[in-house]
Parts: sequence; structure tokens; C-alpha cells
Amino acid sequence: NAGVMQNPRHLVRRRGQEARLRCSPMKGHSHVYWYRQLPEEGLKFMVYLQKENIIDESGMPKERFSAEFPKEGPSILRIQQVVRGDSAAYFCASSRTPEQFFGPGTRLTVL
Amino acid sequence: KQEVTQIPAALSVPEGENLVLNCSFTDSAIYNLQWFRQDPGKGLTSLLLIQSSQREQTSGRLNASLDKSSGRSTLYIAASQPGDSATYLCAVRLQGSSNTGKLIFGQGTTLQVKP
Repeated sequence: NAGVMQNPRHLVRRRGQEARLRCSPMKGHSHVYWYRQLPEEGLKFMVYLQKENIIDESGMPKERFSAEFPKEGPSILRIQQVVRGDSAAYFCASSRTPEQFFGPGTRLTVL
Repeated sequence: KQEVTQIPAALSVPEGENLVLNCSFTDSAIYNLQWFRQDPGKGLTSLLLIQSSQREQTSGRLNASLDKSSGRSTLYIAASQPGDSATYLCAVRLQGSSNTGKLIFGQGTTLQVKP
């Protein structure tokens, strides 16, 4: 059973471009969580999704950020018009039980 | 608002020592607590999960305890090895109406075990 997969592992964008981060949960997991780890800071919750539904987006910035988890395919975290402050590691986790399993992360660098 | 604190921020020990990492949380109304390991530039590996009704969990050389009333958890590592060097994170999940599944993380304790 493959673990949580994220791609790309590293992403470089210039200011103003769009970033799309993908997360494929573990097989049989219908719950997906996105977290962000800013440099020298701890992990912060962003959004929790179940298939086709956003359950909790209390940690998402109000503008430029969106997330989806369609019926088919991976979960997508989309950042529009990226700024340097968006540079961070973005982690996805999935679960079926209370235990969450994390992917390797996508490291976003905004030039 | 739930806050999670880990002390110390960094720890360096010689190989073979037993050690304790501390995690405290401000709101005792938690659903569970999870300990993770993060290697530099890598993702998180789940080590132990303790449900709110449990007092401790063990896996190999690791033992995690939970005292909800005092808002504390400890991760005990026996006979430390250089391969244990990593950052250790604790995270709590809230209960009740706030239980949407999200985890609230501490800042982590970076452990170095010297050969």
C-alpha cells in the first residue's frame, strides 16, 4: 500500500504565477488535510477535505488560496498570484481512522 | 485557543542515553495526541498516537504518556542511537464541535544523538 504521494516535490515560481500542488491519499483514505510549514515556524493547518467537500478551511488565507478534492483524482492546493511569503513546505496528510499519515511535502520557492 | 509547546527546542545527548521530550497543551479537551518524527527536508513519520482515554502507548524503544488533566505528554526514548537524530513533533486534535480532524502542532524538539 503506497503512502501519501505529493507532487511535485519541489516547485519554483516567479511572483505573480500560479502554483498547483497535488496530493494522492493512501488507498482507502477519503480524508485529506493540507498543512503549511513556513521557514523557522511550525506546521499550521490550512484545510480539511473529504471527497468533493471542504469540511474545515479555517486555516486557509482568505485570498489567492483554494483547495479541492474531486470525486476522481488527487486533491489540489492552488495558490494564485504567488508572493515571496508563500515560500514554504506544503504537506498533505490523509486518514481513514484518527491517525493521520503525511506525504513527503512540496517545497515551494517563489523568486 | 489551543496552544502546544515543546521543551526543549533542541537537545544533544551521547549515544545510549535515555531521554524525555516534553509537550504541553493549554486546553485539556483533546480527542487525541500524536507524536511524529521529521527528518531534515522530509515529511513526517507517525510514531505514536494516544487517544484521550489512554494513558500511554509503546512502540519498540519509544513510550509516550498522556496526562490530560495537567495538559502534558512525554515521549521517552530508551537507549538512544544516532539514527534517532531528527525533529520530534507533537500534535493534538481537538474534541467536540472543534473536532474537524485538524492537528495543532508544537514547534518541535530537534534531537541530536552523538556517536
